[in-house]
Amino acid sequence: AQTVTQSQPEMSVQEAETVTLSCTYDTSESDYYLFWYKQPPSRQMILVIRQEAYKQQNATENRFSVNFQKAAKSFSLKISDSQLGDAAMYFCAYGRWDDKIIFGKGTRLHILP
Amino acid sequence: EAGVTQSPTHLIKTRGQQVTLRCSPISGHTSVYWYQQALGLGLQFLLWYDEGEERNRGNFPPRFSGRQFPNYSSELNVNALELEDSALYLCASSLRGLGPSNEKLFFGSGTQLSVL
Repeated sequence: AQTVTQSQPEMSVQEAETVTLSCTYDTSESDYYLFWYKQPPSRQMILVIRQEAYKQQNATENRFSVNFQKAAKSFSLKISDSQLGDAAMYFCAYGRWDDKIIFGKGTRLHILP
Repeated sequence: EAGVTQSPTHLIKTRGQQVTLRCSPISGHTSVYWYQQALGLGLQFLLWYDEGEERNRGNFPPRFSGRQFPNYSSELNVNALELEDSALYLCASSLRGLGPSNEKLFFGSGTQLSVL
């Protein structure tokens, strides 16, 4: 069965600094998708970034980028120039075509002013 | 344009009772997903409906059920409530029934259910 593991329950970063959130997953499939979702205090989940496993190039979205290591089954999220609005719970997730998305337990990110 | 709306926002029930949660997707979206977010457990997939049909179901007992109406809104019903059902229940919608990996999901703010 597929699993998603986020080993850092909480992290803190100084405003304007860079932070990396870790995620590992387990699957026997070769074709899948990986995601990072953000859940701010409003509780509304927001898609941050999406990576297709067959693509070698790491996905980027403005200040957010990933380091996708397929062989190591690792998918970390880097947030550059951290802003106060980045404070939230971040969930790593795994999915396959036409199937449910499996979420990790999340990492709570604090931004220190 | 209105986002995904869920009602009620908070709910308190006692063990053994039944509860119905409601979700209205973004206008034009045909797929609705339900997730349970219990404290410290991340999101657990419950149900996926598209065009009125159940497309997939998570590993939850049959007392968790739902349906999707012709206007694409959806209900989640939980019978015989247990203490461990206390959680935030999130609904999401997507434009077409291509699956949650292939389309962007838009989430509501959830219903916080407390079972005493």
